[in-house]
Amino acid sequence: AQSVTQLGSHVSVSEGALVLLRCNYSSSVPPYLFWYVQYPNQGLQLLLKYTSAATLVKGINGFEAEFKKSETSFHLTKPSAHMSDAAEYFCAVSVDSSASKIIFGSGTRLSIRP
Amino acid sequence: DTEVTQTPKHLVMGMTNKKSLKCEQHMGHRAMYWYKQKAKKPPELMFVYSYEKLSINESVPSRFSPECPNSSLLNLHLHALQPEDSALYLCASSQGSGGYTFGSGTRLTVV
Repeated sequence: AQSVTQLGSHVSVSEGALVLLRCNYSSSVPPYLFWYVQYPNQGLQLLLKYTSAATLVKGINGFEAEFKKSETSFHLTKPSAHMSDAAEYFCAVSVDSSASKIIFGSGTRLSIRP
Repeated sequence: DTEVTQTPKHLVMGMTNKKSLKCEQHMGHRAMYWYKQKAKKPPELMFVYSYEKLSINESVPSRFSPECPNSSLLNLHLHALQPEDSALYLCASSQGSGGYTFGSGTRLTVV
């Protein structure tokens, strides 16, 4: 079965610092991988997706993620954190080639210190 | 139109009530989903409709009943819910491997 594991339920960084949110996947076939962000009392918004094209994926709001097959990882990074980045972040994997069913990781809450 | 619209945004219902949650999208997506999200937890898949047919039912209690009247609409009918069913209910749609577009959710409280 396919799954994702997010390391660290809470990450706190200073404004302007590097953001690194970790995600490892388990899959017997090439996966589709996603990062979503959820602001308080809102739905989820797609940040970026990996669908077997380029291994370095650029998303919205300055975020990017790199697919590393050898490490089964898909970590999310942003060079310089903004206060507005404070939110819950979910890594997700699809369980079929049409990506019609997506399984979410447990989430990482990102806090930004002034 | 690149949105998924959910109504109502908030709902309080008693355990003997019948209510419905509604979801609408006009992006031409042929797959639509209901997720349930408890506080500080990831969304959990409830139902998947693909081309207006129920394709995935994740063993959800029968007090939740989905309906897909057409390719743009998705309903979730609620009856005899329990307080533990209080949660954020999220609707999403997708087309191919592009990922989901989520609505902003309905915050349901069962009293």
